[in-house]
Amino acid sequence: NAGVTQTPKFQVLKTGQSMTLQCAQDMNHEYMSWYRQDPGMGLRLIHYSVGAGITDQGEVPNGYNVSRSTTEDFPLRLLSAAPSQTSVYFCASSYNGAYEQYFGPGTRLTVT
Amino acid sequence: GESVGLHLPTLSVQEGDNSIINCAYSNSASDYFIWYKQESGKGPQFIIDIRSNMDKRQGQRVTVLLNKTVKHLSLQIAATQPGDSAVYFCAENPSYGNNRLAFGKGNQVVVIP
Repeated sequence: NAGVTQTPKFQVLKTGQSMTLQCAQDMNHEYMSWYRQDPGMGLRLIHYSVGAGITDQGEVPNGYNVSRSTTEDFPLRLLSAAPSQTSVYFCASSYNGAYEQYFGPGTRLTVT
Repeated sequence: GESVGLHLPTLSVQEGDNSIINCAYSNSASDYFIWYKQESGKGPQFIIDIRSNMDKRQGQRVTVLLNKTVKHLSLQIAATQPGDSAVYFCAENPSYGNNRLAFGKGNQVVVIP
């Protein structure tokens, strides 16, 4: 049981480039979410999904897209990277909504 | 990991002592609260949770206290160990059925051997 996995661990992008952060879980959790973590800011919710085909915006969704075609995967897309998107990104999943979420190891993204 | 500790309130605790980490929450309608531990370079890890119909819940070496009157949450760690050194976050769920958690900014705990 691998839990929640994220790839890549580190990424450097130039302004304007696009990329997809991958997230997968093998616990058959319906709920998945993406957070970003900045120094002194705690974790802020970007997007979340309550099941395949269903996504919704969180606190800071601008500049990010998500889709949920399977229960296992929840990729996060940056359409045109900006320096303000430099952050550590965490994916999480839960069997019961936003309660008791299990987090992945994170992706550290730098946009120059 | 190393970025999350920047400018956070820090609690220094002697190994073996008890730790108390405090959190003030903002929404009086919140019905669920949770504590996470984040070690350097890792994702947050669930510690313990509590619903608004309780005022105390105990786990292994940890106790969470909820005071709804003053909107205050605390995490007590008994017999603090070096492995407890981490950043601790509280989070609240604004209302029943709401699929979001709102996280606090975190508290750094440093255990002195």
